[in-house]
Amino acid sequence: NAGVTQTPKFRVLKTGQSMTLLCAQDMNHEYMYWYRQDPGMGLRLIHYSVGEGTTAKGEVPDGYNVSRLKKQNFLLGLESAAPSQTSVYFCASSSSPDRVYGYTFGSGTRLTVV
Amino acid sequence: AQSVTQLGSHVSVSEGALVLLRCNYSSSVPPYLFWYVQYPNQGLQLLLKYTTGATLVKGINGFEAEFKKSETSFHLTKPSAHMSDAAEYFCAVSEADGGYQKVTFGTGTKLQVIP
Repeated sequence: NAGVTQTPKFRVLKTGQSMTLLCAQDMNHEYMYWYRQDPGMGLRLIHYSVGEGTTAKGEVPDGYNVSRLKKQNFLLGLESAAPSQTSVYFCASSSSPDRVYGYTFGSGTRLTVV
Repeated sequence: AQSVTQLGSHVSVSEGALVLLRCNYSSSVPPYLFWYVQYPNQGLQLLLKYTTGATLVKGINGFEAEFKKSETSFHLTKPSAHMSDAAEYFCAVSEADGGYQKVTFGTGTKLQVIP
């Protein structure tokens, strides 16, 4: 009964380094999302996917790339990390485009860029 | 475009007192509305949701919310606060957008429960 699993949970990067955040869900959900959470700003959508092999930009996509090669996995990449990308990153999934069900969230990745 | 406004970034209540967290929304279509709760160092959990039908919805942990179309509000309440209710609460509105569920979150309200 894992739900949505995010790895790693914590990471410190130096400016200019790259990294990939992994999100895995075991609920056979079609839709997956990456959000960032910053104090006083709530959650902002970075990228999302409506199915295997598809991705789309959200509200704040600059500096990030994503891939959805397998239905259960959604990867978020930072090619050249910047201090402005210090944040808590949440992955979420949902079962359909219907608005009824809400999201299932992972427990987050706390990223610090120094 | 849809939006969500949560009034009060911090709310303090005494244990046993009424909890009232305010949320107002705007949406171009009939809204679906959600409340999520986030405990420290955890992800968001769905607390309750309004889709259609009864305007008073009940969620987990004794929380409920009432959809008031005329006031464009979806305030969250609990009759008696418990220490374990201390968390951050997010209101969200959802509408279909090109085949996916576009969800807009409010900025959150941190609830402090004073013993």
